[in-house]
Amino acid sequence: GQNIDQPTEMTATEGAIVQINCTYQTSGFNGLFWYQQHAGEAPTFLSYNVLDGLEEKGRFSSFLSRSKGYSYLLLKELQMKDSASYLCAVSPGSGYSTLTFGKGTMLLVSP
Amino acid sequence: KAGVTQTPRYLIKTRGQQVTLSCSPISGHRSVSWYQQTPGQGLQFLFEYFSETQRNKGNFPGRFSGRQFSNSRSEMNVSTLELGDSALYLCASSVSGPAAEQFFGPGTRLTVL
Repeated sequence: GQNIDQPTEMTATEGAIVQINCTYQTSGFNGLFWYQQHAGEAPTFLSYNVLDGLEEKGRFSSFLSRSKGYSYLLLKELQMKDSASYLCAVSPGSGYSTLTFGKGTMLLVSP
Repeated sequence: KAGVTQTPRYLIKTRGQQVTLSCSPISGHRSVSWYQQTPGQGLQFLFEYFSETQRNKGNFPGRFSGRQFSNSRSEMNVSTLELGDSALYLCASSVSGPAAEQFFGPGTRLTVL
């Protein structure tokens, strides 16, 4: 089966750092994606991790521990425009392009 | 490079009707996946097509079907609509493979009355 858990909501202040956690239990694993989705818009790609460790991309970083079934997305120097839903998704490794998504974490950044 | 396009963007139907949604992938992308997004369930995988063949299917009833054409464009059909089918239907295209980034279209907002 597939199970991906992430917090439903988080709040943070502009300029701060926030960490969004994701835990997963899937029947296969070939990588973990993070997507950002603003209200009324399509999800957009943020990061992809397949090996353990930290991937840094500007203000956003993503970490993966395969042995623990755990990932996090770290957002630094938060801006108001970062208010969005953040989706954790696992590629099951079946050779297909299917992604299994968590229900998303709604992040609200306040001034 | 043009992004993924979906038509129509909004649709209102009544129970029992059927609906067809269309998706045009990014040029060169041969894989098209469909997802249903609702507030309660989040994004749920419907099916994936590659080279006109359905490669994978999610846990949805047979009322949900799809197809892919030789130019990689894809359609999904929902027959005998139910109120619970009201959702945002998202199409995503990728080059293919489990590590391929998926590019999402803007979605079709379906409302069933």
